[in-house]
Amino acid sequence: GAGVSQTPSNKVTEKGKYVELRCDPISGHTALYWYRQSLGQGPEFLIYFQGTGAADDSGLPNDRFFAVRPEGSVSTLKIQRTERGDSAVYLCASSLTGRPYNEQFFGPGTRLTVL
Amino acid sequence: QQPVQSPQAVILREGEDAVINCSSSKALYSVHWYRQKHGEAPVFLMILLKGGEQKGHEKISASFNEKKQQSSLYLTASQLSYSGTYFCGTEGTQGGSEKLVFGKGTKLTVNP
Repeated sequence: GAGVSQTPSNKVTEKGKYVELRCDPISGHTALYWYRQSLGQGPEFLIYFQGTGAADDSGLPNDRFFAVRPEGSVSTLKIQRTERGDSAVYLCASSLTGRPYNEQFFGPGTRLTVL
Repeated sequence: QQPVQSPQAVILREGEDAVINCSSSKALYSVHWYRQKHGEAPVFLMILLKGGEQKGHEKISASFNEKKQQSSLYLTASQLSYSGTYFCGTEGTQGGSEKLVFGKGTKLTVNP
């Protein structure tokens, strides 16, 4: 079946602009996670949804970052007033259900470059 | 608290074995292992739960010492396809969040 998909695959923007990154999880997966990964580092947690609600948004670095999942499937990560430090690969993952076996399936990521 | 992985990098010849370690300073509910090839998404390998249960690929083995908050991934008879960066992700016991905190990774290179 189809895996997790993310669009766009690459996004180049200028400092100060607004961007939206989209994630389509595996059908039927109730949990959805956003991470960002910088070169040479592991994925860094941003936010976790269980259904439509954000169960944990403790990883969002500041109020410029916001994410939604209005119908419990597709999610959008929104970044306002982008800064050069926001440049990274943004990964989305989904899992079928919660604990105990909540292995996460990752999408290919969106590479964001802020000039 | 980010888990610490060791070694940072390892180079093997095809057929050799390797062990990758992951250590956390906090009590853990589970440890997840992923492999990521350059430019690709992380791929799930194994999940180990507090209490001893685990689930993952048949050819991958791992251990989880709950008392020491440590996990090890055992790669035996390595193949060229095992090359990549291995990440452990830890899930804490506190609260209901199921977020993973990932280590910095261990880069494995398997040569012919």
